[in-house]
Amino acid sequence: DTEVTQTPKHLVMGMTNKKSLKCEQHMGHRAMYWYKQKAKKPPELMFVYSYEKLSINESVPSRFSPECPNSSLLNLHLHALQPEDSALYLCASSQDDAGTSGNTIYFGEGSWLTVV
Amino acid sequence: AQSVTQLGSHVSVSEGALVLLRCNYSSSVPPYLFWYVQYPNQGLQLLLKYTSAATLVKGINGFEAEFKKSETSFHLTKPSAHMSDAAEYFCAVSGATGNQFYFGTGTSLTVIP
Repeated sequence: DTEVTQTPKHLVMGMTNKKSLKCEQHMGHRAMYWYKQKAKKPPELMFVYSYEKLSINESVPSRFSPECPNSSLLNLHLHALQPEDSALYLCASSQDDAGTSGNTIYFGEGSWLTVV
Repeated sequence: AQSVTQLGSHVSVSEGALVLLRCNYSSSVPPYLFWYVQYPNQGLQLLLKYTSAATLVKGINGFEAEFKKSETSFHLTKPSAHMSDAAEYFCAVSGATGNQFYFGTGTSLTVIP
């Protein structure tokens, strides 16, 4: 069983809505990630938080806004999304940050987002 | 720079047959290599990880992978396929700065009864 918990599992939102995806891990990991995955494609990195600070933003549109309230929680705030943003959004965590190579990344089950 | 290439986007095997999923890597530093599995409508689950401790790595569910530096390969195998192995498999390499993972394009495994 994954130790990275994501809610909600499914979300349908209109293009003018504001919603949030939530992620929680209790493994003591200090790096947390948001990935976007389209069907039959590999995950695409969106954001990385390291020690609660944003360390990587892969040129993601501002309609996606990440937030890391503490070392266990990671949110992704959604506003004015487009239908092409419909995808599986995966949260993940790893033990360490950019200073150490080879850390295993552990994924949550994902949140299925549909924008209508 | 690090990258992985998965040969074959779709692989079909009969139940009980050998599973072989191919992954070749490119890395300017000694690589950390991973295989993940994604079952339908689920997240990614770690199958196994290569860390240079041993070239033959055993993972969960009877899978194993062998690191071959001379061939820059890290192919995933399982002696006998089970119906429950049907899934998407991703090879990945860790970048020099741990937070970066580079995924292959994935291989969809179908198991024929």
